[in-house]
Amino acid sequence: GQSLEQPSEVTAVEGAIVQINCTYQTSGFYGLSWYQQHDGGAPTFLSYNGLDGLEETGRFSSFLSRSDSYGYLLLQELQMKDSASYFCAPAYSGAGSYQLTFGKGTKLSVIP
Amino acid sequence: DTEVTQTPKHLVMGMTNKKSLKCEQHMGHRAMYWYKQKAKKPPELMFVYSYEKLSINESVPSRFSPECPNSSLLNLHLHALQPEDSALYLCASSHAQAPPKTQYFGPGTRLLVL
Repeated sequence: GQSLEQPSEVTAVEGAIVQINCTYQTSGFYGLSWYQQHDGGAPTFLSYNGLDGLEETGRFSSFLSRSDSYGYLLLQELQMKDSASYFCAPAYSGAGSYQLTFGKGTKLSVIP
Repeated sequence: DTEVTQTPKHLVMGMTNKKSLKCEQHMGHRAMYWYKQKAKKPPELMFVYSYEKLSINESVPSRFSPECPNSSLLNLHLHALQPEDSALYLCASSHAQAPPKTQYFGPGTRLLVL
């Protein structure tokens, strides 16, 4: 499978829609989570996909395609407070437990 | 209560010091994690405890010593650290009998090693 990849930076205008893509390794893959982290803060959980398809939580949606080892996070009606780093975090099983591996993160800048 | 607490918030220590980081949660989670995060980098998994037993050690140097005294507490004992160990140390917890769909993170301890 591929390594864990997501874009390093994205800039979008307030009120717009932005999509952050993620590709991941398939071996032991269980599901895909997304986390948001503001500068100086801790990661906070946004969304999880265990099955193929779209999960919607308010302005945020996440999508998974297991056959393509691909997922994305969709942020709608962008607000200035959405400026943060977004990590895709595939969950892998092994050694009797599960663990998350965090991607390198996508720094989203929302501009007026 | 969906809070994970960590103390101290900030820590400055010399390379010969011994210190401990503490983490606590009361969500009934039986999996607890230590991560290390350098500036502008993703969190890197260090240790995983499942039902108070160490289940994953991601080849962390022995100068970091984790301890899980009970299901609510997780400690990270630090000894003879190096300046490159300066980072944000994050604790997290989740349900153990499921993949970590949702890990709850504490605010972290910002560590500076001089």
